[in-house]
Amino acid sequence: SAVISQKPSRDICQRGTSLTIQCQVDSQVTMMFWYRQQPGQSLTLIATANQGSEATYESGFVIDKFPISRPNLTFSTLTVSNMSPEDSSIYLCSVEDRQTNHNYGYTFGSGTRLTVV
Amino acid sequence: AQSVAQPEDQVNVAEGNPLTVKCTYSVSGNPYLFWYVQYPNRGLQFLLKYITGDNLVKGSYGFEAEFNKSQTSFHLKKPSALVSDSALYFCAVPADEKLTFGTGTRLTIIP
Repeated sequence: SAVISQKPSRDICQRGTSLTIQCQVDSQVTMMFWYRQQPGQSLTLIATANQGSEATYESGFVIDKFPISRPNLTFSTLTVSNMSPEDSSIYLCSVEDRQTNHNYGYTFGSGTRLTVV
Repeated sequence: AQSVAQPEDQVNVAEGNPLTVKCTYSVSGNPYLFWYVQYPNRGLQFLLKYITGDNLVKGSYGFEAEFNKSQTSFHLKKPSALVSDSALYFCAVPADEKLTFGTGTRLTIIP
């Protein structure tokens, strides 16, 4: 299965600033997914990033707040812009591992724990 | 729409006892179902999945899950709980190639 390197693992940021999170995959993947996990909550999908096209955002998430880049098939970044304390969460990237139609799964990065003060 | 539900926010089990973490699903067609675990200050780790075939699926760390079509359930089980099993557990289902998660169940194993 794919291996994902996610950076940074954690950060403490001042409100009003921006943080860019990076995910590097050890193999080429078509789609990458970005999730947010607010404290004590489940994972919520922010957007899906395909190489060569704009990311597709889920309801409640907008590009101005969470711009995403996908320059190639192994790399993506998520920026959390103009941060407020409400953005304090764990952010995770994920990829779909598909070997066959009946043998696939999803791999996750180790997460970025963001605290906004 | 594809979805899963985890009816219990918190499950407490004594060490050495069997444990069950519940998950029910609502899907159209043949369901693909996943279980993930999140240890404190760690990322999300894959435990097991049901794609097709045997209803009893075996996974990592001694966990297994039983797919029950009549009850639309995919409960996670382990015969003998360890203190190190204490973590947050999520069941999940793919929807339009995106993984949708249940609300999570915090499992606490009491020594």
